[in-house]
Amino acid sequence: ETGVTQTPRHLVMGMTNKKSLKCEQHLGHNAMYWYKQSAKKPLELMFVYSLEERVENNSVPSRFSPECPNSSHLFLHLHTLQPEDSALYLCASSQALLGTYEQYFGPGTRLTVT
Amino acid sequence: DAKTTQPPSMDCAEGRAANLPCNHSTISGNEYVYWYRQIHSQGPQYIIHGLKNNETNEMASLIITEDRKSSTLILPHATLRDTAVYYCIVRVMAPPYNAGNMLTFGGGTRLMVKP
Repeated sequence: ETGVTQTPRHLVMGMTNKKSLKCEQHLGHNAMYWYKQSAKKPLELMFVYSLEERVENNSVPSRFSPECPNSSHLFLHLHTLQPEDSALYLCASSQALLGTYEQYFGPGTRLTVT
Repeated sequence: DAKTTQPPSMDCAEGRAANLPCNHSTISGNEYVYWYRQIHSQGPQYIIHGLKNNETNEMASLIITEDRKSSTLILPHATLRDTAVYYCIVRVMAPPYNAGNMLTFGGGTRLMVKP
């Protein structure tokens, strides 16, 4: 247990569906991240929120929409996805104020787009 | 950020020390060395980080050469549960209130611990 939980753990959705991934951290951190890990590829950073403000968007398609309502929760809203979006989506959190890269990751959501 | 080079894979016998090397020959003076690992289908796990002194915690030891151009992560008594991909990452320490402390993961070293 890392103190970062993600739900659901597995998700199968059609290309026309809308779904959301949820992440919650219980570590008192104030930065949260979404990463994508496709098969046999390195992790790719998608979004960063620091102090509840989005500070990084690595050219992610608009069919992915993040939301950070408070420092403990992070959502990734999905709509009209493509099969190539099938991947493991990982959430992480850290204490931005410390300036370190000690990030704590959740177990991930395994997404399959059919 | 300095580029890192790691061997793609390594084997280690259970109970022996696993020594995972990382080259970062272009590292600058204010860049830290971080190690993470990722067990199959799980999220990455922070292991340890250091600047120039050797570091040790309950999981591993980090040995950084005097010129800081390479480092070695040591798992003193590897177990089967240590089988994972190990990532070496070099980053400048972010200032406080930084706009996100972004990590860039490369390919890492796939460590296989064998009985």
